[in-house]
Amino acid sequence: QKEVEQDPGPLSVPEGAIVSLNCTYSNSAFQYFMWYRQYSRKGPELLMYTYSSGNKEDGRFTAQVDKSSKYISLFIRDSQPSDSATYLCAMSAAGAQKLVFGQGTRLTINP
Amino acid sequence: DVKVTQSSRYLVKRTGEKVFLECVQDMDHENMFWYRQDPGLGLRLIYFSYDVKMKEKGDIPEGYSVSREKKERFSLILESASTNQTSMYLCASSWASFDEQYFGPGTRLTVT
Repeated sequence: QKEVEQDPGPLSVPEGAIVSLNCTYSNSAFQYFMWYRQYSRKGPELLMYTYSSGNKEDGRFTAQVDKSSKYISLFIRDSQPSDSATYLCAMSAAGAQKLVFGQGTRLTINP
Repeated sequence: DVKVTQSSRYLVKRTGEKVFLECVQDMDHENMFWYRQDPGLGLRLIYFSYDVKMKEKGDIPEGYSVSREKKERFSLILESASTNQTSMYLCASSWASFDEQYFGPGTRLTVT
C-alpha cells in the first residue's frame, strides 16, 4: 500500500462547478500538507500549504486536513478553464528527509 | 521570488551517451532534489542532497548519479543513457527537507 493515495482521474467538469480533489495517507506522523498545481509541460507550483489539521482558504481555493481520518481535500469554487491542470498532494512529517507525493489528479474544466 | 532553473527544456540523446542535467537555485536553499515524472507513475525521487558534497539515494537511484559541488547547483548524471530513462526530469529545492519544494520547469529527455 502506498503511503499517499490519490485518484489519478482524469476528472472532467463544466466551468463554474465546485471541484473536490482528495488524498488519503497512512502515516499518522504527517503534519505538513501541500497541494501543487502542474500545468502541462511545466514544473509543479505550490498552491496551498497547511500545517496540521483545519481549513485554509485562498480565493477560490480551500484546503482541508482531517488528521483523524488521514484525509486531505482541495476544493475549487467557480472553476475556470484556466484551472485545468494536474493537482498533486504532498505531505511530510517534522524532520523528514523528503516530501511524499500523491500520484496527481488530472483535472479538465470544460467551457 | 525563488527561482529554480534547469539547463535544458528538451534534450534528445542516443543510447549509451553520458547525459548531464543541471539545476541551479538562487535562494540559498540547503536541500535539492531530482525527480522523474512518468504518466501513471507520478513523481519519483531519484536523489537528493542536504548539503554541498552530500547526497542521498531516493526511491529509484539505479542508473543515475549526482554531483553537488556548490550549494546552488545540483547535477544529475546518466552514466550510460538507456531508452527506459526517457522521461520528464524535475529539479526542486527547499529550505528544510520536509518543507515546501520549489520546482524548476523540467527537462524532457528522450533517449533514442
